[in-house]
Amino acid sequence: GAVVSQHPSRVICKSGTSVKIECRSLDFQATTMFWYRQFPKQSLMLMATSNEGSKATYEQGVEKDKFLINHASLTLSTLTVTSAHPEDSSFYICSAKDQAYEQYFGPGTRLTVT
Amino acid sequence: GQSLEQPSEVTAVEGAIVQINCTYQTSGFYGLSWYQQHDGGAPTFLSYNALDGLEETGRFSSFLSRSDSYGYLLLQELQMKDSASYFCAVKKSGGYNKLIFGAGTRLAVHP
Repeated sequence: GAVVSQHPSRVICKSGTSVKIECRSLDFQATTMFWYRQFPKQSLMLMATSNEGSKATYEQGVEKDKFLINHASLTLSTLTVTSAHPEDSSFYICSAKDQAYEQYFGPGTRLTVT
Repeated sequence: GQSLEQPSEVTAVEGAIVQINCTYQTSGFYGLSWYQQHDGGAPTFLSYNALDGLEETGRFSSFLSRSDSYGYLLLQELQMKDSASYFCAVKKSGGYNKLIFGAGTRLAVHP
């Protein structure tokens, strides 16, 4: 089956620093990847749609300058949380869409900003 | 706008049957998906309906009525390991087929 990985699985950073999260499709090519965030006991909120070779499309209310997305290849998308603050602490999950238009989710990255 | 509603919590005993309902309001509806998520884990795909009717996958079944903007997930022969959060998600039409998730239903299965 289709496998999506994320790295790191957990990260702790200090307030004001930037953190990069990688999302990789391991056995298929994904022209489109999605980034979600999830607060404890809440739903997954779609942040942005990432397309290979073009700019990401952000959902309303998501700051594109704070959450930088790069989709440089058909198997890799990165999310960089810039100038992180404690309120950015969350569970970040990516998904990748294959050619059959199914989405496969990564295992998530737990970000803690101190 | 768009919205999905599902119960926040459901409790059941092992071996029982549980139905989790989902109503939605959205433009550009393509289909309804169901995901399971254990605490700290990633969502895993359970079932998908694009057309009206029932889809059965082992102990899990999902139903959709497009005219009523309503669907449900049916879990049979409940097991302790089924304790998790269950999300309905609308798959949007359009080039990206985005998923918009409901708030989730926490299912607790007791002995």
